[in-house]
Amino acid sequence: DTGVSQNPRHKITKRGQNVTFRCDPISEHNRLYWYRQTLGQGPEFLTYFQNEAQLEKSRLLSDRFSAERPKGSFSTLEIQRTEQGDSAMYLCASSLEGRAFFGQGTRLTVV
Amino acid sequence: QKEVEQDPGPLSVPEGAIVSLNCTYSNSAFQYFMWYRQYSRKGPELLMYTYSSGNKEDGRFTAQVDKSSKYISLFIRDSQPSDSATYLCAMTPQGGSEKLVFGKGTKLTVNP
Repeated sequence: DTGVSQNPRHKITKRGQNVTFRCDPISEHNRLYWYRQTLGQGPEFLTYFQNEAQLEKSRLLSDRFSAERPKGSFSTLEIQRTEQGDSAMYLCASSLEGRAFFGQGTRLTVV
Repeated sequence: QKEVEQDPGPLSVPEGAIVSLNCTYSNSAFQYFMWYRQYSRKGPELLMYTYSSGNKEDGRFTAQVDKSSKYISLFIRDSQPSDSATYLCAMTPQGGSEKLVFGKGTKLTVNP
């Protein structure tokens, strides 16, 4: 499968715990994006990378959120001290020539 | 006012019907327009990508863009039960970069 891969697919965590998600983009794509989607809403942009450089972060990305893309390959999104409001689908996408392709997402439930 | 408005539906049609899905936007900087299909609990799948006013056809799908009215549409001909999904419009100021701004999505059900 050469699509965007996200792990884990589901994560249930207790409030206050830290969680980390991984995204493996399509190999030749140099841009990688993270989005968050809540029920009944479209995805909302969080941050994006061109190669290893993080070029933009949304206001939605509080200081509890951090994303990395070491060596311009896979990316991780970490949420520290999770809150119930963090429960959502976290989507990763990679793009080439303007077309963004999404992974299946990681569904986070904070209890 | 949100940058992108999309009627969330739900929309229910019989098999074989022509479906029309629409979005309006307020930011005239948007130049590139996309339609994504999202099945329940899955990631969005890119259906159509266009950057000029007018129509673009791909099989049973036609994307239409009217930049003067800030209005985009997706038409689905001969709709099938497998088309049942949420359809998301998305747009961006420039191709190849920057964030996508999405509508809320329209939930479509095609009944056999």
